Amino acid sequence: DTGVSQDPRHKITKRGQNVTFRCDPISEHNRLYWYRQTLGQGPEFLTYFQNEAQLEKSRLLSDRFSAERPKGSFSTLEIQRTEQGDSAMYLCASSSLLQGGSNYGYTFGSGTRLTVV
Amino acid sequence: AQKVTQAQTEISVVEKEDVTLDCVYETRDTTYYLFWYKQPPSGELVFLIRRNSFDEQNEISGRYSWNFQKSTSSFNFTITASQVVDSAVYFCALRESGGSYIPTFGRGTSLIVHP
Repeated sequence: DTGVSQDPRHKITKRGQNVTFRCDPISEHNRLYWYRQTLGQGPEFLTYFQNEAQLEKSRLLSDRFSAERPKGSFSTLEIQRTEQGDSAMYLCASSSLLQGGSNYGYTFGSGTRLTVV
Repeated sequence: AQKVTQAQTEISVVEKEDVTLDCVYETRDTTYYLFWYKQPPSGELVFLIRRNSFDEQNEISGRYSWNFQKSTSSFNFTITASQVVDSAVYFCALRESGGSYIPTFGRGTSLIVHP
């Protein structure tokens, strides 16, 4: 168990470019969550998957955002035509439906910090 | 709808002082889960504790203790004899029972411990 991995750790992009982030959850976790965190704020929910199915999306997730989790393993979050307001830390977390799992059980990655210039 | 309020934006203490971080929550569910996470400068959210709504027993883990009071919808976190390594942003989170299992986070309290 190597925890939740996110790649890249940092991304600087020009406004209007597309970016894609990757999240590798804990292997036995079937739920995967994406959060966005701006400076001085708590994490805000974006979307989550149970296995490969995307079950819920926040209103924060505009049409420019898309997330996938093919085969229920890793997930990608793509932002098209980035805007300066997209600058934030994008956090991924995974959990298991099994009760009694550690902390019931949200494990976060270190995040990808996006800066749009 | 679930909501978490952390009214303290920033707390500054000197090493060895005790400090309490406040968390007030709102939910219509009778069964829910409360969490505390620590976010050091590296950015990763580190799990500290989970508390079920039906278990009001306070918990102590080393220098950390948590006071859960359903009557006031509060789940406060106390660090005893603070240390410089405790400097971080601390988040309280709430997850209602069933449904989507999506935690809602407060805005966080930045704790600065001076040597």
